[in-house]
Parts: sequence; structure tokens; C-alpha cells
Amino acid sequence: GAVVSQHPSWVICKSGTSVKIECRSLDFQATTMFWYRQFPKQSLMLMATSNEGSKATYEQGVEKDKFLINHASLTLSTLTVTSAHPEDSSFYICSARGASGGPSFEQYFGPGTRLTVT
Amino acid sequence: ELKVEQNPLFLSMQEGKNYTIYCNYSTTSDRLYWYRQDPGKSLESLFVLLSNGAVKQEGRLMASLDTKARLSTLHITAAVHDLSATYFCAVDMGYALNFGKGTSLLVTP
Repeated sequence: GAVVSQHPSWVICKSGTSVKIECRSLDFQATTMFWYRQFPKQSLMLMATSNEGSKATYEQGVEKDKFLINHASLTLSTLTVTSAHPEDSSFYICSARGASGGPSFEQYFGPGTRLTVT
Repeated sequence: ELKVEQNPLFLSMQEGKNYTIYCNYSTTSDRLYWYRQDPGKSLESLFVLLSNGAVKQEGRLMASLDTKARLSTLHITAAVHDLSATYFCAVDMGYALNFGKGTSLLVTP
């Protein structure tokens, strides 16, 4: 199956700083990438959907100015958590999907990034 | 708004027993996924169900989809400890996935 990587796998930062998380599709072109967050013992909640070269679509309740998403190429999307606070501590998971009808149309999930804000 | 309901949310079962996890969803969709998640890890894809009546099996797990009833099941046969994990169903909304709350499965000796 298709492979999606995330970097870093875990990060600790101080309150007020910004953190960037990268999501890469390694062996296919991802026309769409998704960012989810997961709190302990809870399900995955979709934060935003991004298509290459266009602005991300954010789910209701997700602050656009706080969670900056860039999908500059068909293999890379980044999520920047700006002015992080302890309540932003969570497990962030990206997924990537190829073109409709293609072999990689299924969503493929990255290994996740655990963010802890102190 | 698409709602995805899984039950049970917690399941403790003995090794060797059978059980079924249910996933109900509220609107039409032509794709349903089952995932496994181990503690601290991301999602592992188990099954992709694409059509009404689809049935897929892998080892001790079997998944089925009834699009008319908007119901998918994940059946566990002769459970073993290695199956202990959290299982999620997810319905394809056409642009993203909507996840159930997950079923935390513990298989005990």
C-alpha cells in the first residue's frame, strides 16, 4: 500500500511558540491531504482538508489562524500550530489521498505526531 | 450531518469467544473503512468495503456492509490476546472520513 510519513513523530514545545508538522506521501501523488487530531481515548476529529495549490478547508470550530495548513506540492502538506498552548497538546494525524478513480484513492494515514505543549 | 455510531464502545472478551462490533451511519455512503489502532500508534487499515453486501475476511476478523440498512459489522472469531486494540469504523463522506467513537477491545485469557 501507499506510504505516508510524518515528521516529527513527537515534539515538546513551550507555550507561545509555533510548531510545524510535515506530512509526506512517499510513493504517490496526494491530490488531497487531511489533518486530524485525536485526544486521549477519543476518536479522530477532522480539522481540515487541503488540496494541492489551494487554500485549506477548515472544519467548524477549528481556528484558521491558529492551525495554518499549506499544501504546496502533491507530496507535502504542513500543519503549523501557532502560539501553541497546553490545550493544543494532542496526537495529530495526517492522511493523504490520490486522484479519484486511481489506485491510491483510499486514504492512507501517517504515523502521527504527538505534540506536548508545556 | 453524517453520524457514525459504534457499539459497544468497550468490550472485554475471553480468548476463544466470538463477538460482533456494530457500526451504524446516518446517510448514504458507498465506502466504509475499518481501522485498528494500538496505544500510541496511528491507524492500521483493516478493511475497505465498497458495495452493498461486501464481505471481507482477514484471519479472525470479518467485516460486512449493508448499505440499505446503513450498517457494517466487524465480527471477531475465536479471539486471541493480540486482537486487543481499539477498532474504528469510518464512513467516507466524499471528501473526508467521519469516524465512529471506536470500540476498545480487551481480550483476556
